[in-house]
Amino acid sequence: AQKVTQAQTEISVVEKEDVTLDCVYETRDTTYYLFWYKQPPSGELVFLIRRNSFDEQNEISGRYSWNFQKSTSSFNFTITASQVVDSAVYFCALLYNQGGKLIFGQGTELSVKP
Amino acid sequence: DTEVTQTPKHLVMGMTNKKSLKCEQHMGHRAMYWYKQKAKKPPELMFVYSYEKLSINESVPSRFSPECPNSSLLNLHLHALQPEDSALYLCASSQSPSGSVSHTQYFGPGTRLTVL
Repeated sequence: AQKVTQAQTEISVVEKEDVTLDCVYETRDTTYYLFWYKQPPSGELVFLIRRNSFDEQNEISGRYSWNFQKSTSSFNFTITASQVVDSAVYFCALLYNQGGKLIFGQGTELSVKP
Repeated sequence: DTEVTQTPKHLVMGMTNKKSLKCEQHMGHRAMYWYKQKAKKPPELMFVYSYEKLSINESVPSRFSPECPNSSLLNLHLHALQPEDSALYLCASSQSPSGSVSHTQYFGPGTRLTVL
């Protein structure tokens, strides 16, 4: 069965703090893709990153970084020096090679206070 | 350009009304999706169109009727909805549904539907 777990329902930090959002996934497939999306209050899901199952390199993009570890089935997301504009719900998602169905985690609501 | 547009932004309808949601993309993507999202929940897949053919229907009630007139357009026709159908309806597109390099789904801003 395919499953994504985001154990942190809500996180609240003060601006400039670093914050890590956890994501654990389950799949029996050897080929799969992992994603992070950001959903601000406006509602649009904004694509942040895609990782395929063969690429375990960590990635950094500005203040954002991602740590993919197949050994622990985790794909964690860190925001460095958080800003108020980072306040949103963040979803981790798994796509397996079965027609394009994205399996979303329950989401983590991040609140960054000034 | 990774833009998916959706109209209308907001829609209020009665249970006897018929309305349609519209989604458009000009990225040359060949897969398009409808998702339903209730408050404080993740999006749930409803339908997938691949090369303008319906490829996945996640057991959605027949009061929701999708249509893909061409590769750029996706409609969702609504009829005899219930108040519990009130939700954010998101459209997405991707280059292909499976089996190739690019699988990223790009989402539109959504339509907030209220059924009275």
